[in-house]
Amino acid sequence: EADIYQTPRYLVIGTGKKITLECSQTMGHDKMYWYQQDPGMELHLIHYSYGVNSTEKGDLSSESTVSRIRTEHFPLTLESARPSHTSQYLCASSPGRIQYFGAGTRLSVL
Amino acid sequence: GDSVTQMEGPVTLSEEAFLTINCTYTATGYPSLFWYVQYPGEGLQLLLKATKADDKGSNKGFEATYRKETTSFHLEKGSVQVSDSAVYFCALSPIRTSGSRLTFGEGTQLTVNP
Repeated sequence: EADIYQTPRYLVIGTGKKITLECSQTMGHDKMYWYQQDPGMELHLIHYSYGVNSTEKGDLSSESTVSRIRTEHFPLTLESARPSHTSQYLCASSPGRIQYFGAGTRLSVL
Repeated sequence: GDSVTQMEGPVTLSEEAFLTINCTYTATGYPSLFWYVQYPGEGLQLLLKATKADDKGSNKGFEATYRKETTSFHLEKGSVQVSDSAVYFCALSPIRTSGSRLTFGEGTQLTVNP
């Protein structure tokens, strides 16, 4: 069982606010990922990292940014939230080909 | 590019019914194949995997066989329970990459009624 934690689980904020979604893992995995999940369930990779100080954009363009200063921590930041950012955000980590997911953050921007 | 196609949902079954969720893929060479499950309000969990042709992955009564000739990895369970109600994702990991990026299917919502 992998240990990967996301906070907060739920967040409701107003338009224009800056937010940071936290993701931490205790397994020492080099690879970490952020996905955006539609209400229709489809997953879209928005950011990934293969190690400290390494970040890449994923398949879906996103206005969010990420950082990877420590192996265990991979936060996602939105500088100015908009209603179009309302979604579920899932974080994952991996030692190889299998990915382990956190429980997700459900974000609502009013 | 690589892609995964799952049967459209939602799927609704009665308890103890037989389940099949179809999954086909397009990829170069021999990718690794996975089924993930997402229970309500949770993240995804690995259900089973297969890494080469004719491998059978199994877990919790679910099975899937890696069929290279038909590029398929269909998920089956002989007798579903209410607790199996969830969203199921088929995914592949290309053999050519050193990382672990996954290509996911669209997800299939399964509801099992008592």
